[in-house]
Amino acid sequence: QLHLQESGPGLVKSLETLSLTCSVSGGSIRSSGFYWGWIRQSPGKGLEWIGSRDHSGSTLYNPSLKSQVTISVDTAKSQFSLKLRSVTAADTATYYCARHGRHAVYCSPTGCYYNNRFDPWGQGTLVIVSS
Amino acid sequence: QSVLTQPPSVSAAPGQKVTISCSGGSSNIENNHLSWYQQPPGSAPKLIIYANNERPSGILDRFSASKSGTSATLVITGLQTGDEADYYCGSWDNSLNTVVFGEGTRLTVL
Repeated sequence: QLHLQESGPGLVKSLETLSLTCSVSGGSIRSSGFYWGWIRQSPGKGLEWIGSRDHSGSTLYNPSLKSQVTISVDTAKSQFSLKLRSVTAADTATYYCARHGRHAVYCSPTGCYYNNRFDPWGQGTLVIVSS
Repeated sequence: QSVLTQPPSVSAAPGQKVTISCSGGSSNIENNHLSWYQQPPGSAPKLIIYANNERPSGILDRFSASKSGTSATLVITGLQTGDEADYYCGSWDNSLNTVVFGEGTRLTVL
């Protein structure tokens, strides 16, 4: 059974870079048709997708965070990582990693429409940004 | 303010049925598949519905969902106290070019 586990510092100083790693076990990070994603949840708030990357290098980022974010995948270690630059107090959140299943349901001349699902999720790790 | 709108809370008695709505638009729900997630207090979210109405392995048939146009509904029957959680809908949005989630609905089993 696939298992994901986040790790990284629980405290980051303002304007520095938040770095987290997600370790994947019980399955292959090279599985086709899957991305590996990060989602965060500010205290008492809802879910916000940060971005996802597959093992071949294809990336998807939330446009609102794209300039701050880098997601990388290390197939040798079966890990993927998140770097979020220049953090502020607004980036204080529980950060979850998850396998991101994504495929096109159908495509028209104007674009493609997708089935997206996040399953399974890691347990999450709280990161506090301090001034 | 999320592009997917959910009621903040719903409640029902044990054994009863509850419905949770998720309303969006043509750029998200209407043309993309919808997923639903269950997040018990203090725990990570868990996928309970994908592709609008499919249940992952291990999810009981007490959980079902449907979609019509720009709206979707999650239905939970035979409510149990263990169903108390926040429930989120999620979809791709072709206009925003991002995954979007609803604000979440807190289910209380009275």
